Amino acid sequence: VIWMTQSPSLLSASTGDRVTISCRMSQGISSYLAWYQQKPGKAPELLIYAASTLQSGVPSRFSGSGSGTDFTLTISCLQSEDFATYYCQQYYSFPWTFGQGTKVEIK
Amino acid sequence: EVQLVESGGGLVQPGGSLRLSCAASGFTFSSYSMNWVRQAPGKGLEWVSYISSSSSTIYYADSVKGRFTISRDNAKNSLYLQMNSLRAEDTAVYYCARDQTYGGNGYDAFDIWGQGTMVTVSS
Repeated sequence: VIWMTQSPSLLSASTGDRVTISCRMSQGISSYLAWYQQKPGKAPELLIYAASTLQSGVPSRFSGSGSGTDFTLTISCLQSEDFATYYCQQYYSFPWTFGQGTKVEIK
Repeated sequence: EVQLVESGGGLVQPGGSLRLSCAASGFTFSSYSMNWVRQAPGKGLEWVSYISSSSSTIYYADSVKGRFTISRDNAKNSLYLQMNSLRAEDTAVYYCARDQTYGGNGYDAFDIWGQGTMVTVSS
C-alpha cells in the first residue's frame, strides 16, 4: 500500500493569496497523481492529472508540480470560489489512495 | 450531457445487504473503466473498487474485499456495487466515478462523478 501524507490539513488564507498544498508519498509514483477540489455537499471535481496537467476548463491559477514522492498543488491568486477541500490521489498502484484532504478556509 | 446518477442507498442494519446502481448517460459507457469511491460523514475520500471496461479486471480496497462486489452491464449503461455483511463503518456517501486514461503512459483520473448516494448502516 502506498501511504500519502497531505499537508496542511487546514489552511487559512485570504482572497488574492498564493497557497500551496503538499502531498508526499511513501514510495515513488512517477507522475501518477491527480488533484481534486470538493465543496460542501458536492462531488469532487478533477483539477489536475499526471501531476501537472490542468483538466480542461480549470482556471490557470491552479497548477501542479512534482514527481516521484513529492507533489504540490498551487493556487496562484485565491478567489472566493476556491475555498474548498482539496485531495491528492495516487494511481501508481492498487489500492489507489487519496490524501487526507486540505481544507482551505477564509482567514 | 455526460452524467452519472447513483441510486440504491438507504438505511440498513448491520450485517445486511444493499445494492447500489450507477446509471451512465452522454458517453460510450462500454469504453471506460469505472470506480466506486466513498466518503464517511465529515471524513475524506476513500477509493472502494475498480472495474475495467470489459469487466476483465477488478480491484477492491482491503476494507471491503470479500464483502463487496463490483459489476457492470454495458448493454444497460450501468455500474453496480453489491454490498454484503455491512458494518457501521461502511456508512458513507458512495460515488461512482468515470476513469479517464490520458496519454500513452496510462495516466488516470476520475473526470466525471455522480452526485452520490447515502448508505447508513445502523440498528
